[in-house]
Amino acid sequence: EDQVTQSPEALRLQEGESSSLNCSYTVSGLRGLFWYRQDPGKGPEFLFTLYSAGEEKEKERLKATLTKKESFLHITAPKPEDSATYLCAVRAGNSGGSNYKLTFGKGTLLTVNP
Amino acid sequence: NAGVTQTPKFRVLKTGQSMTLLCAQDMNHEYMYWYRQDPGMGLRLIHYSVGEGTTAKGEVPDGYNVSRLKKQNFLLGLESAAPSQTSVYFCASSWGDNTEAFFGQGTRLTVV
Repeated sequence: EDQVTQSPEALRLQEGESSSLNCSYTVSGLRGLFWYRQDPGKGPEFLFTLYSAGEEKEKERLKATLTKKESFLHITAPKPEDSATYLCAVRAGNSGGSNYKLTFGKGTLLTVNP
Repeated sequence: NAGVTQTPKFRVLKTGQSMTLLCAQDMNHEYMYWYRQDPGMGLRLIHYSVGEGTTAKGEVPDGYNVSRLKKQNFLLGLESAAPSQTSVYFCASSWGDNTEAFFGQGTRLTVV
């Protein structure tokens, strides 16, 4: 069974204090790893997709990286508006297979204090 | 573009009542999904559709039915609501089978 574990469950940072969120996964053939941001009372908002080990994506203060066992979401000099729950999800299976399910982790609640 | 729109946003049901949640997307996506989100459980797939007229079971399908009569709409039905179905429901859509999914704003359902 596909498993996704995110750590830490919660993280408090001071504005400007860089850190990383972890997403470790166990799947039978990774097809894609997705990062989302979720604000309270809202739906998940797409951030990044990573398809293969070694791949990196950047967007403003966020950078996502991928290895064969885990992904990191690096947050550089965070601001209070970066406060949210960050979700990691994986899609597994062989290319061309019929596995459409995204398996989500439970998320990391990030709070950035001014 | 509105993206993915869910109606209603909030609903309270009594045990045994039925209701339908509506999801509409204006991105011409083939794939549509219904998830539920519960505290400490993460998002779990209920049902999904890979195109107009098709539906399939996800991870937690019991107690739910779905229909996709039009490409842009995906309906989730609860025939006889139970307290265990109290949750936040999210609809999502994607262009391909391994591309990012775009989510709606959610429907908060309480079954008393």
